[in-house]
Amino acid sequence: QVQLKESGPGLVQPSETLSLTCTVSGFSLTSYSVSWVRQPSGKGPEWMGRMWYDGDTAYNSALKSRLSISRDTSKNQVFLKMNSLQTDDTGTYYCTRDEDLWFAYWGQGTLVTVSS
Amino acid sequence: DIQMTQSPASLSASLGETVTIECRASEDIYNGLAWYQQKPGKSPQLLIYNANSLHTGVPSRFSGSGSGTQYSLKINSLQSEDVASYFCQQYYDYPPTFGAGTKLELK
Repeated sequence: QVQLKESGPGLVQPSETLSLTCTVSGFSLTSYSVSWVRQPSGKGPEWMGRMWYDGDTAYNSALKSRLSISRDTSKNQVFLKMNSLQTDDTGTYYCTRDEDLWFAYWGQGTLVTVSS
Repeated sequence: DIQMTQSPASLSASLGETVTIECRASEDIYNGLAWYQQKPGKSPQLLIYNANSLHTGVPSRFSGSGSGTQYSLKINSLQSEDVASYFCQQYYDYPPTFGAGTKLELK
């Protein structure tokens, strides 16, 4: 069945770079797009960016200058890198398998805290 | 960016009741709307896409409707497992944007 799992450090220092990995199973990254979505505690989600099935990328313009998404299809992994983290980047980060332009399947999420 | 406004922010209802949650877009989104359910401590789960299409495995007591800038999610015969937060999301235009959510509790 479709599964996605996020992994990465739970704590990041302010101004440092966040690196997260999404490992997928049950589908091919060359057939489906994968997005990164984050959610501050108690608030609505925010779409960050997408790795299209053809290898192209799309980013939220609010984050584009800090964000990079890449993939390794041989390892079934999608990567997120975001630099210059601040305290308001704290939240739960999810990867999703996209169906057209909505988010059909979600990983369990990984909590990222930005603090010194 | 298209702003999504949900109402109410919170809602208390009894078992068996019918519940309606509203979502208003800042401009016409031409039915490019999805609804998600998020139970406490869990990730969001897709309920509805294209404003009124039920995702695989979602109970038929959930339904979506609307057009233009106004959309709604209806839950018929509320069950205890429906206690959750509900979010709308537009995907008509980039970037996809979400509402702030509606928290549904049992009365």
